This record gives sequence, C-alpha cells and structure tokens, in this order.
Amino acid sequence: QKEVEQDPGPLSVPEGAIVSLNCTYSNSAFQYFMWYRQYSRKGPELLMYTYSSGNKEDGRFTAQVDKSSKYISLFIRDSQPSDSATYLCATSGARTDKLIFGTGTRLQVFP
Amino acid sequence: EADIYQTPRYLVIGTGKKITLECSQTMGHDKMYWYQQDPGMELHLIHYSYGVNSTEKGDLSSESTVSRIRTEHFPLTLESARPSHTSQYLCASSADTISNQPQHFGDGTRLSIL
Repeated sequence: QKEVEQDPGPLSVPEGAIVSLNCTYSNSAFQYFMWYRQYSRKGPELLMYTYSSGNKEDGRFTAQVDKSSKYISLFIRDSQPSDSATYLCATSGARTDKLIFGTGTRLQVFP
Repeated sequence: EADIYQTPRYLVIGTGKKITLECSQTMGHDKMYWYQQDPGMELHLIHYSYGVNSTEKGDLSSESTVSRIRTEHFPLTLESARPSHTSQYLCASSADTISNQPQHFGDGTRLSIL
C-alpha cells in the first residue's frame, strides 16, 4: 500500500467551476502537507504549505488538512484554463524533511 | 521565488556514455535533493545533501552518484548510461532551519538513453 494515495484523473471541468483535489495518507506521523502544481515539461511549483490540521487560503486556492481521517484537499475556486496542470500532494513527518508524494491528479479546465 | 536551474533540459544519448546532470541554486540553501519522476508515477528521492561534502542515498535505489563541493552546486552523474535510466530527473532545494521548510524544484532534465 502506498503511503500517499491520489486519484490520477484526468479531471475535466468547465471554466469557473470549483475544483476539489484530494489525497489520503496512511502514516499518522505526517505533520507537513504540501500541494505542488506541475505544468507539462516543467518542475513542480509550490502552491500551498500547511502544518498539522486546518485550512489555509491563498487567493483562489484553499488547502485543507483533516488529520483525524488522514485526508488532505485542495480547492480551486473560479477555475481558469491556466489552472490546467498536474497537482501533486506531498507530506513529511516532523523529524524528517523527506517528502512522500502522491502520483498527481491531472486537471483540465476548458473554456 | 525559487531560483534553481537544471541543465540540460533534454538529453538523448547512446548507451554506455557518461552523463552529468547539472543543478545550481542561487538561494544559499544548504539542503538539496535529486528526484526521479516517471509518467504517472510519484516522485522518488534518489539522493540528498545537507551541505558541502554531505551526500546520502535516497529511498529509491539508483546507479547514479552525486557530489556537493560547493553549496550552490549539486551535480548528478551516471558513469555508464543504460536505457533503464531513461526518466525525468528533478533537482530541489530547501532552507536549513529548525522547522521543515518546503522544497523548491527546478524544471528538470528529461533523459532518454537509446
């Protein structure tokens, strides 16, 4: 069983939709949670970085962590075609900076 | 904004050649990492360094080697390339502080071994 599970998609939505991307993880020791966006032929770009449970908002993006159910989410409001990319969730424990990644969800936002 | 650079961006080369993938960062980060990424698969850590003269193997076994002679430079070398080494290689760095800091990535080198 993988430590981080992520639906690969593709997820196809119309412009303006609210997008929900999700990951589950198995290790309760994970404390740091990240979302990266990766465009085709580019490296992952850090979108959101959170510690422990709760919500964090940055513009159209909201990251949510529920440690009780080991579930992390990224919400994108008013989605744009420029949001079309692969979204990677990642996590690490308190005593290590080694990241465990999900496989990524490919998102397509059509006009 | 992270400033981390990888060269070459693309490399197609024959079996048996020696290859060095370059990675440089201008942020003064002590921690640097090399990941391997294949289509539809998660990123796997193959090497990391916590500073000059520090190198460690990651979770995924790799025939590559790394060196860290300067803080800003973390090259990865394959002594004799094989088709199984075909992949995307991503370099990352992070600040060395008490709390975990997020990793910032370069745009990768897409390597194809014929």
